Amino acid sequence: DGGITQSPKYLFRKEGQNVTLSCEQNLNHDAMYWYRQDPGQGLRLIYYSQIVNDFQKGDIAEGYSVSREKKESFPLTVTSAQKNPTAFYLCASSSGLGWYFGAGTRLSVL
Amino acid sequence: SQQGEEDPQALSIQEGENATMNCSYKTSINNLQWYRQNSGRGLVHLILIRSNEREKHSGRLRVTLDTSKKSSSLLITASRAADTASYFCATAASYNTDKLIFGTGTRLQVFP
Repeated sequence: DGGITQSPKYLFRKEGQNVTLSCEQNLNHDAMYWYRQDPGQGLRLIYYSQIVNDFQKGDIAEGYSVSREKKESFPLTVTSAQKNPTAFYLCASSSGLGWYFGAGTRLSVL
Repeated sequence: SQQGEEDPQALSIQEGENATMNCSYKTSINNLQWYRQNSGRGLVHLILIRSNEREKHSGRLRVTLDTSKKSSSLLITASRAADTASYFCATAASYNTDKLIFGTGTRLQVFP
């Protein structure tokens, strides 16, 4: 089955802790994206990558970091600098016209 | 910054009625897309309309695009309880098609 897999589904972060959200795709898409969604809100772009070993900041990149070492994988790290990390995080990939989203990771702070 | 704004924010209708949602955006676009999100889930792509198209159909969905008014509408005909979800428009700007900018969404509730 082709698609995007995000893990874990639920994640809890302690104060001062960095956590990493996984996103893997087997669609052979070059472009991958991370969005944040707050309750009752739309999606805001955190980071995106058009090609391996390259990525760009989105609208709300502060407190987050990414890497793109492989075409299939685009992990997102929520650092301790992100003071309000509680949100629903969505990963997407695109071939240019077709966009596909993962099922999301819900991050909460303990 | 979010480019799309949806109207209304919430919509409640009975099964069988039509549901219309509107989206406005700010800059020139290459295409506009509509997505559906069930509660707590990922997004599902519904339909894409290019900037040179005015109307597009897919099953019970009808999308219109008016680039002069920078607006789009999504019509769901003969709604079903299973259509209950949030609906988002997203735009790819003509100067940067690399990313999608999402609106705030319309929450649709269809009562049986």
